[in-house]
Amino acid sequence: AQSVTQLDSQVPVFEEAPVELRCNYSSSVSVYLFWYVQYPNQGLQLLLKYLSGSTLVESINGFEAEFNKSQTSFHLRKPSVHISDTAEYFCAVSDSGGSNYKLTFGKGTLLTVNP
Amino acid sequence: DGGITQSPKYLFRKEGQNVTLSCEQNLNHDAMYWYRQDPGQGLRLIYYSQIVNDFQKGDIAEGYSVSREKKESFPLTVTSAQKNPTAFYLCAAGQSGYTGELFFGEGSRLTVL
Repeated sequence: AQSVTQLDSQVPVFEEAPVELRCNYSSSVSVYLFWYVQYPNQGLQLLLKYLSGSTLVESINGFEAEFNKSQTSFHLRKPSVHISDTAEYFCAVSDSGGSNYKLTFGKGTLLTVNP
Repeated sequence: DGGITQSPKYLFRKEGQNVTLSCEQNLNHDAMYWYRQDPGQGLRLIYYSQIVNDFQKGDIAEGYSVSREKKESFPLTVTSAQKNPTAFYLCAAGQSGYTGELFFGEGSRLTVL
C-alpha cells in the first residue's frame, strides 16, 4: 500500500516570496509522483509529474519539484509566488508497475499568497 | 471542448433519499474514478472502473453504487445508506497505458438537509 504525507496543511506567504510545499511518500514499489492544484470550487488540474528520467521536473508557470528517492520526497517549490498562485495543492503517488490503477492523494496544502 | 462533465454542480437532498451524480467524458479514456473530498481530508477514492461493465470498490465504497454501461459515462449513486453524504464529489478519467495522470471534472457539491 502507498501513502502520502503533506507536512503542512496551510502555508501563508507574501507575494514575490519563495515557497516550498513538502510531500513525503511511502511505497514498497517504484512510483510515479504528481502535484495537482485546485482553485476554489473547481476540480483538480495536473501541475507537474515525475514518471522517469530527470529528477527535477518543472511546470509552465514556474513551479518545480524534485524527486528524492533516498528521502522518499517530492517537494514543490517556486522562487517567487503571485497572488494567483493561491490555491490548494495536492501531492499524489501511483504504482509505476501499472498494476494498480489507483492514485493515492495527500490531504492537501492550502497556499495563501498575501499582498 | 474535450473533458469531463459533471452534473449537477450543486445538489440538495433530504435524508433518506438516493441521488445520482452524472459524469461524462469525451476523452476516450478507459479508466474512470469517483473521489470524495472533505475539508482537511484530501481526496478519498469511492469507486473506479478500468473498462466497460467492470468496476472496483475504492477505500470508502459503503453507501455508494456505480455503473459503467458505456465508456464515456460513470454515474455515482449516493444511497440513503451513506451516513454522512454531504461532501464535494469529483469524477476523473485516466488514459490507456496508465501512468496515474488523471483529468478531473469541476465537481458536484452535495448537501443533505
